[in-house]
Amino acid sequence: GENVEQHPSTLSVQEGDSAVIKCTYSDSASNYFPWYKQELGKGPQLIIDIRSNVGEKKDQRIAVTLNKTAKHFSLHITETQPEDSAVYFCAASKGNYGQNFVFGPGTRLSVLP
Amino acid sequence: SAVISQKPSRDICQRGTSLTIQCQVDSQVTMMFWYRQQPGQSLTLIATANQGSEATYESGFVIDKFPISRPNLTFSTLTVSNMSPEDSSIYLCSVEDQGSSGYTFGSGTRLTVV
Repeated sequence: GENVEQHPSTLSVQEGDSAVIKCTYSDSASNYFPWYKQELGKGPQLIIDIRSNVGEKKDQRIAVTLNKTAKHFSLHITETQPEDSAVYFCAASKGNYGQNFVFGPGTRLSVLP
Repeated sequence: SAVISQKPSRDICQRGTSLTIQCQVDSQVTMMFWYRQQPGQSLTLIATANQGSEATYESGFVIDKFPISRPNLTFSTLTVSNMSPEDSSIYLCSVEDQGSSGYTFGSGTRLTVV
């Protein structure tokens, strides 16, 4: 089955710097790759996603890139702010349905003021 | 996007007892999903709940331990039965967000079994 790895497990950056989190997946049939942000005491919130027919997607300070050949995708956050501090999860799916989601182990991002 | 209300938000339970978690969505959805998030860990899918049929369980999860009800298109419950300390986790429900390509999660139920 699908296996999703995520690095780093923890990341500390200074406010205003950029943060990059990388994920790799094993199943070449996976075609949907969302990123979720989970703040303390809350459920995960979708922040950006990308499908396998697209190489890059951007939404304000957040961008995701996908390399299908290498089977890895990355989350890029620019101009980080303290409110970006949270745990970030990547996931891979072969379809549009939650039962196919495999989540990465998560990255705890700390943005230092 | 869909709004999910999940209850209770947290509970402390005695081992051997059962807890039922409720998930209410503000719109009709075909499938609802239940996840477990063990302390400091990622999310693991427990089962998928369709209205009018039995839930579909993932490997490692069984109906006797995690019975699920789905009486209508906006509501589902997950019961954690005969609890042990190993069941201490956050349990989350999720639905496909019709307004986007993603999935919305509830705020979770933090369960501690003592």
